[in-house]
Amino acid sequence: GEDVEQSLFLSVREGDSSVINCTYTDSSSTYLYWYKQEPGAGLQLLTYIFSNMDMKQDQRLTVLLNKKDKHLSLRIADTQTGDSAIYFCAEKTTNAGKSTFGDGTTLTVKP
Amino acid sequence: GAVVSQHPSWVICKSGTSVKIECRSLDFQATTMFWYRQFPKQSLMLMATSNEGSKATYEQGVEKDKFLINHASLTLSTLTVTSAHPEDSSFYICSASRQAETTGQETQYFGPGTRLLVL
Repeated sequence: GEDVEQSLFLSVREGDSSVINCTYTDSSSTYLYWYKQEPGAGLQLLTYIFSNMDMKQDQRLTVLLNKKDKHLSLRIADTQTGDSAIYFCAEKTTNAGKSTFGDGTTLTVKP
Repeated sequence: GAVVSQHPSWVICKSGTSVKIECRSLDFQATTMFWYRQFPKQSLMLMATSNEGSKATYEQGVEKDKFLINHASLTLSTLTVTSAHPEDSSFYICSASRQAETTGQETQYFGPGTRLLVL
C-alpha cells in the first residue's frame, strides 16, 4: 500500500529557514498536503500541491515537489517560535479518496 | 470557512460505559467524514470513512461493533465507543471533506480532537 515517510525531528533557530522533507511511494499520488498540529489540537491544513505542479508559494511557505523522486518538501521562511509544532505530510491518489499520512516531523524553534 | 467542531473536547469515563463523540462541519456540507485515532507522539491512524446515509467503511483491524459510526446528515457524524476499556483511551480526531465549488477538489478539514480517558 501507500507509504509516506518523514524525518521525525527538526530543530532550527528563530529567523532561520526550516525545510521539512517527505517521501512517498505511490506514483499515483495526485494530491499532496501539509498539515500543522499544535499540542492537544487537531490538524490545520497549511497548503497543498497537485502532482502536475512542482512548486507552490504561499507567504512564508514554499512547497517543492519532485515527482520523479516522489519527494515533497515544505520550506518555512523566517521561522518563528509559533511555528513549533508537528508537521504532517499526506497524500491522496483520488479526489474523494482517503489520505495517507506520514508520521509527522516535530519542529522545534529555538529563540 | 471550513470549520469542523468536535464535542466533547475531552471526556473521562468508567470502564464498561459507552461514549459518544460528535463531529460537525459548521459552515459546509460534508458528504464524507473520516475518524482517526492518535496515540501520543504518533501519527494518525484512520479508523473509518463515513458517508452520509450509508454504512461506514472500517479499516482493517478496527472493530465495527466497538466503534459505532453514524453519519445521519451532511453536517454531523458520530463515533460511539461502546463498552470502553482503558486501552481505548486515546485522542480521537475527525475530519470532513469539503468540495470546492469551482474545481470540485475535495479537501479534508480537521476537528480539534476529543481526548478520551477510560478509568
